[in-house]
Amino acid sequence: EAGVAQSPRYKIIEKRQSVAFWCNPISGHATLYWYQQILGQGPKLLIQFQNNGVVDDSQLPKDRFSAERLKGVDSTLKIQPAKLEDSAVYLCASSPGQLLNTEAFFGQGTRLTVV
Amino acid sequence: AQTVTQSQPEMSVQEAETVTLSCTYDTSESNYYLFWYKQPPSRQMILVIRQEAYKQQNATENRFSVNFQKAAKSFSLKISDSQLGDTAMYFCAFILGGSQGNLIFGKGTKLSVKP
Repeated sequence: EAGVAQSPRYKIIEKRQSVAFWCNPISGHATLYWYQQILGQGPKLLIQFQNNGVVDDSQLPKDRFSAERLKGVDSTLKIQPAKLEDSAVYLCASSPGQLLNTEAFFGQGTRLTVV
Repeated sequence: AQTVTQSQPEMSVQEAETVTLSCTYDTSESNYYLFWYKQPPSRQMILVIRQEAYKQQNATENRFSVNFQKAAKSFSLKISDSQLGDTAMYFCAFILGGSQGNLIFGKGTKLSVKP
């Protein structure tokens, strides 16, 4: 079974530039999550999708971050414009249903460096 | 609001010995789930073990076991016969039962297994 795929693995951009990350969840998984993990901290949820609808985006900085999940499959997370404090690893995860009491599967993440 | 606290930023253990990682959480709800995730340098977040709050029996997965103390809101992870491959960041995580759960992570414990 293929896992959660994320690209790119690494990205370096200058502040005020734009960047986009892509996630392909495990086939058939209805729930998709984007987490931000700053160095030395645990992951923080940015947004949660159930199929192509948003369940929770309360911690997403909507003035600069946006995410979409077209057709309830792949998802894209965008930052525009980037700030230095956005440097982090961005993790995508998926799970079969709306409840995370079953296992959530994570991708390898994208490490973003803003200079 | 729910919180997860890991009070040990770093720990080390000799190969083949046993180590216990601590985690406490705070919630007023009775229906929830707890997890320990492992994150090696590759950044892939891997589920180690899961505990349902309604179950009194402590979960066990091979060399990994938990000590779940619901009244004390404590959820520690014991790793027996530590192996070099156990070297990683370990995150304790919590999610409410029911729909639209948000997986909340602690700050993590960096475990080093020494030969």
